[in-house]
Amino acid sequence: GAGVSQTPSNKVTEKGKYVELRCDPISGHTALYWYRQSLGQGPEFLIYFQGTGAADDSGLPNDRFFAVRPEGSVSTLKIQRTERGDSAVYLCASSSQGGLGYEQYFGPGTRLTVT
Amino acid sequence: AQTVTQSQPEMSVQEAETVTLSCTYDTSESDYYLFWYKQPPSRQMILVIRQEAYKQQNATENRFSVNFQKAAKSFSLKISDSQLGDAAMYFCAYRSTGTASKLTFGTGTRLQVTL
Repeated sequence: GAGVSQTPSNKVTEKGKYVELRCDPISGHTALYWYRQSLGQGPEFLIYFQGTGAADDSGLPNDRFFAVRPEGSVSTLKIQRTERGDSAVYLCASSSQGGLGYEQYFGPGTRLTVT
Repeated sequence: AQTVTQSQPEMSVQEAETVTLSCTYDTSESDYYLFWYKQPPSRQMILVIRQEAYKQQNATENRFSVNFQKAAKSFSLKISDSQLGDAAMYFCAYRSTGTASKLTFGTGTRLQVTL
């Protein structure tokens, strides 16, 4: 595809359940970012991948959150034992490289609602 | 840590008029980029304009221009000849030179465009 895609578009889950959110970056982009946008706020950084490795996971709020990118393309954000406070829009972005001068292209996000 | 502040939760402008959105930031770094992103109801973040900190000249993209005051750590966005399609959330963002070159966003300004 031409842009970053994310699935599902919306996800409703019950408190305590496990969820997986998927991000398909632009083909060939080696850098991939996850951000979380709570209601009424700007996006907040969660984790950055350069290739297959998580180069910076300093934004992950706790150990219930985990992300992988096993083949250096598609990434999955995994949330265990979901809590109502996890409800937010989860945005993914990719760029051709991870440096300052390379634009991040965003996907449409996944809206997660924990009931 | 860097912070980005947008003090105007909502702004309104008449079609064809000019509006200025404010943004201030705090950093101890000398090399960084600043951005304005537009987020329509579709949730997808769209890059409007960017400014490299080392450039003294203010960036311009068609109807969009910035007033970058490095010493004052101020970065405002001016939209000229406002159009109905400009209505959206606007986020100011800072990007640092660290490993991740992650974006730090403000809380956003909702822009309404009236006839």
